[in-house]
Amino acid sequence: GENVEQHPSTLSVQEGDSAVIKCTYSDSASNYFPWYKQELGKRPQLIIDIRSNVGEKKDQRIAVTLNKTAKHFSLHITETQPEDSAVYFCAASTPNNAGNMLTFGGGTRLMVKP
Amino acid sequence: EPEVTQTPSHQVTQMGQEVILRCVPISNHLYFYWYRQILGQKVEFLVSFYNNEISEKSEIFDDQFSVERPDGSNFTLKIRSTKLEDSAMYFCATAFETQYFGPGTRLLVL
Repeated sequence: GENVEQHPSTLSVQEGDSAVIKCTYSDSASNYFPWYKQELGKRPQLIIDIRSNVGEKKDQRIAVTLNKTAKHFSLHITETQPEDSAVYFCAASTPNNAGNMLTFGGGTRLMVKP
Repeated sequence: EPEVTQTPSHQVTQMGQEVILRCVPISNHLYFYWYRQILGQKVEFLVSFYNNEISEKSEIFDDQFSVERPDGSNFTLKIRSTKLEDSAMYFCATAFETQYFGPGTRLLVL
C-alpha cells in the first residue's frame, strides 16, 4: 500500500519567514495530494490540495508543488504569522472505484515565533 | 458553510464495553470514512463506505469494528468490545470529491 513520509517533524520559524514542509510517497498511482492543518484538539482542516495533472498550485500565502517523477510534494507558506502555528499533515490518495482513502504523513509541528 | 458533525464529542468507557460513534455527513456527500488519531500521532485510515457498503478497510478495522448508515443520514462506527488501545480521537470524514473532517470523538477506554 501507499506510504507517505513527511519532513521535518518540527519546524520553528520567525514571523514573516517562509516555511517549507516536504512529503514523499511510494505509490506512483497516487494522484491526489491534500494538505491539512490541525490546531490542538481540533479537526484536520483542508488548506490546499493538488492533483497529479498540475505541478503547482497557489492560494494566497500557501503554495503546493508536486514532482511526480520524484514522487514528492511540498507545502510552502510565505510571510508566516503566529496563527499559522499548528500541525500540518500531508496525504496521498490512490484512485479506486469508490472514493479515495487518504494515507497521511506523520505531521509537522510548525511554530511561528512572533 | 455546511460541516460534518460528530457525537459524542467525548466518550469514556470501560474495557469490553460497546461504543457507537455517530457522524452526520454534509448532505450531498457520497463517500464516508472513519479515521483515528492516537494522541500525538498521525491520522490513520480505518474504513471507507460508499453506496451502503464498505469499499476499503485497513488492518486496524478488524472484526470488532463495524459501520453502517442506518437511516440514510447518520453514519456510525461501532466498536463491539473496546480495548485499552482503542483510546484515540476518531474522525469521520465525508466527501463528494474532497474529504472534509468532522470535529472528532475523543474515546477513552479505561
